[in-house]
Amino acid sequence: DGGITQSPKYLFRKEGQNVTLSCEQNLNHDAMYWYRQDPGQGLRLIYYSQIVNDFQKGDIAEGYSVSREKKESFPLTVTSAQKNPTAFYLCASSSHRGLQETQYFGPGTRLLVL
Amino acid sequence: AQSVTQPDIHITVSEGASLELRCNYSYGATPYLFWYVQSPGQGLQLLLKYFSGDTLVQGIKGFEAEFKRSQSSFNLRKPSVHWSDAAEYFCAVGENTGNQFYFGTGTSLTVIP
Repeated sequence: DGGITQSPKYLFRKEGQNVTLSCEQNLNHDAMYWYRQDPGQGLRLIYYSQIVNDFQKGDIAEGYSVSREKKESFPLTVTSAQKNPTAFYLCASSSHRGLQETQYFGPGTRLLVL
Repeated sequence: AQSVTQPDIHITVSEGASLELRCNYSYGATPYLFWYVQSPGQGLQLLLKYFSGDTLVQGIKGFEAEFKRSQSSFNLRKPSVHWSDAAEYFCAVGENTGNQFYFGTGTSLTVIP
């Protein structure tokens, strides 16, 4: 089955620690996205990538980093600079980067701070 | 700044009753409009989308939405709600000017027997 997988489902971070969230898609999509979801708020865009080896900052990129070395993979690192990382993180992909493109979402990773 | 407003944070309906979830946007031109549904602890699934043409759009799971330019609205409707429809619903807008995509804050739907 084609789709998007995210791992782990739950992730715990200690103070000062960097953690990496995995996102893999087998839809052959060019564009991939990372969103952060907090209670009572809509999804906020962290980073997006339109093509391999290229990515752009979204609205709340501070404290996060990404890479896009392979078309199917778009990992997100939450660095120690992100002071309030507790949230639900959603990865999405679309055929291309465009406003008409349907975004397909993974099941999410919940990040908690110890 | 462009925005998407879902005025109802939480709605409760009885099973079998009709449903309407509201969505308003602020954007001068015709935006691209979407409704997504999210079950607890899951990702989002597209219900329907509108780009142009017929202003009444049919989606999956018996949902429909109507674009009303004069009201800057894209409300989601379902004639008869099922218990499995209990979830969080997000309206989203894509606008051309800044090539940006915005999500509303969501409406949580509870369905009672």
